[in-house]
Amino acid sequence: GAGVSQSPSNKVTEKGKDVELRCDPISGHTALYWYRQSLGQGLEFLIYFQGNSAPDKSGLPSDRFSAERTGGSVSTLTIQRTQQEDSAVYLCASSLDASNQPQHFGDGTRLSIL
Amino acid sequence: AQKITQTQPGMFVQEKEAVTLDCTYDTSDQSYGLFWYKQPSSGEMIFLIYQGSYDEQNATEGRYSLNFQKARKSANLVISASQLGDSAMYFCAMRAMNRDDKIIFGKGTRLHILP
Repeated sequence: GAGVSQSPSNKVTEKGKDVELRCDPISGHTALYWYRQSLGQGLEFLIYFQGNSAPDKSGLPSDRFSAERTGGSVSTLTIQRTQQEDSAVYLCASSLDASNQPQHFGDGTRLSIL
Repeated sequence: AQKITQTQPGMFVQEKEAVTLDCTYDTSDQSYGLFWYKQPSSGEMIFLIYQGSYDEQNATEGRYSLNFQKARKSANLVISASQLGDSAMYFCAMRAMNRDDKIIFGKGTRLHILP
């Protein structure tokens, strides 16, 4: 498709399990971001990939969170040993380059930890 | 440190009236870009308008315009002739061009358009 694709759209899992969230950015977009959004709240920055540069991981809340971007395209956000406070919508965005281009967002993955 | 401030957590406006959503920013960079996004209750993030720090004129996109006052470091979004479909969360964002180019977001303003 033409837009940013995220999967799954919804994920329900038990506390303590690991989860993987996938983001497929728009083709050709070199910048990719992950955000977390709790209900009714703003966007919490998690991690940023730009081309082949080392990712900016400054927003990851704990070492249970990690992300990778393979081949400069698809990205996977992994949360290990999930906790109830990890419940949120996880949004991925990509942009054409890291200059004056707007981000294009996916529809998000709604993660619920029981 | 860079920062975006949206001081209005919520606003109620009568349909067809104009709306101004406030955004102030703090940066020491000379080159930066400002963005506004809309997030309806369905959750998707929709890009509305962009203003570059060196742009001479205020950006406009249909009913949206950006009231850019560089000296005051403000980038207010103006929506003319508001419609019921404008009810949503609105986020102001900034990217400094000379840093790591990471976009930062404000906490948002929830706009309610009343019939």
